[in-house]
Parts: sequence; structure tokens; C-alpha cells
Amino acid sequence: GDSVTQMEGPVTLSEEAFLTINCTYTATGYPSLFWYVQYPGEGLQLLLKATKADDKGSNKGFEATYRKETTSFHLEKGSVQVSDSAVYFCAPLSGGYQKVTFGIGTKLQVIP
Amino acid sequence: NAGVTQTPKFRILKIGQSMTLQCTQDMNHNYMYWYRQDPGMGLKLIYYSVGAGITDKGEVPNGYNVSRSTTEDFPLRLELAAPSQTSVYFCASSYGTSGRVGRTDTQYFGPGTRLTVL
Repeated sequence: GDSVTQMEGPVTLSEEAFLTINCTYTATGYPSLFWYVQYPGEGLQLLLKATKADDKGSNKGFEATYRKETTSFHLEKGSVQVSDSAVYFCAPLSGGYQKVTFGIGTKLQVIP
Repeated sequence: NAGVTQTPKFRILKIGQSMTLQCTQDMNHNYMYWYRQDPGMGLKLIYYSVGAGITDKGEVPNGYNVSRSTTEDFPLRLELAAPSQTSVYFCASSYGTSGRVGRTDTQYFGPGTRLTVL
């Protein structure tokens, strides 16, 4: 079956630092790739997505590029803010109704 | 447009009790899902539904049941609560096309129900 590997964290950064959260996956076929974010006490919400190789998803200053050759979808942000403190989930979606596989989530803590 | 709503937000059960977690979406989505989230374990799919009257098991269905009588509602039933069912439960929905989820489909999540079984 599909699987996702991402760093567990917590990742602690100072405000304005550069962020990278690595994500690699194995999936059948040609998946779409998603990053979801979970703020404290809330459900998950879509952060960004990419549907084909070399696509770059972006939102709220976050970016991730679909790298088919390395099966990776690393999340980056140039300058994090305290409000970015949350748990981030990488999630490939293969063909089929239940084939969304969530990573374990990476907790990000940004300190002023 | 409320999105996905879940009730209750919190619940404490005793071992052997039963309860139903409610989930409603107002986006006319075909697909609905129940997940549980345990610390350090990510999200695990319990059950899903591709439309009214159609449900199927996910990765961890034991101890749970679901029904889908309408497009909007997808309740999750715990019949004999056990401590292993202590978790945070999330309901989600997505648009989906006939027969399968579209490859770009985003899942929309409710705020979750925190359940403790003592």
C-alpha cells in the first residue's frame, strides 16, 4: 500500500527562520500530493497541493514542488511566523476513493 | 455555509457504554470519511462512504459502525466502548465524482470529537 515518511518533530524555530519539512512517499500510479495543516484544537485544512510532476503548490508563503524522480514533496517557507505553529501532514492521493494516506504529522513550534 | 460539523466536541464514556458521534456536511459532497487521530500515529481511516446508502471499511473498523441514509449525515457508532478507543475523531468530506474520488479532491474536515473511555 501507499506510505508516507515525514519527520515527526517537534521542529522548533525562531520567528523569521527558514522552514523545511521533508516528505517522501510511495504510492501506486501517479498520485496527487497534498499538505494539510492542523492548528491547535482544530481539524485539518488544506494548505497546498500539486497534481503533476514539477508542479509547485503554494499558499500563505508556503511552497512545495512535486518531485516525481525522488518521490518527494518537501514543504518550505522562507520566513516563519508564530502563527505558523501547527502540525503539518503530507498526504498523497492515489486513484481510488480511500487512497489518501496521511503522514504522522510534523509539529512546528515558532518562538518569538 | 457551515462546512463539516461534528457533535459532541468532548465526551467521556465508561467501558461498555455506547454512543454515536454525529457528522453533518452542507456542501453536497458525495464522499465522507471517519478518521481517528492518536498521538504520534497520524490519521487512520475507520470507515468511508461514497454516497447515501453505501459504506465500506477503512484501515481500523473494528469496534465501530456507520450508516449513511442521507448525503448530509454520516454518524459513527461505538457499541461497546473500550479504552483503546480513546482518541480524537475527525469526520471529513470531499466532492468525489461518480465511482471514485477525483485526483485533485480536497478533503474538508470537521473540528473533531475528543473521546475518552475510562
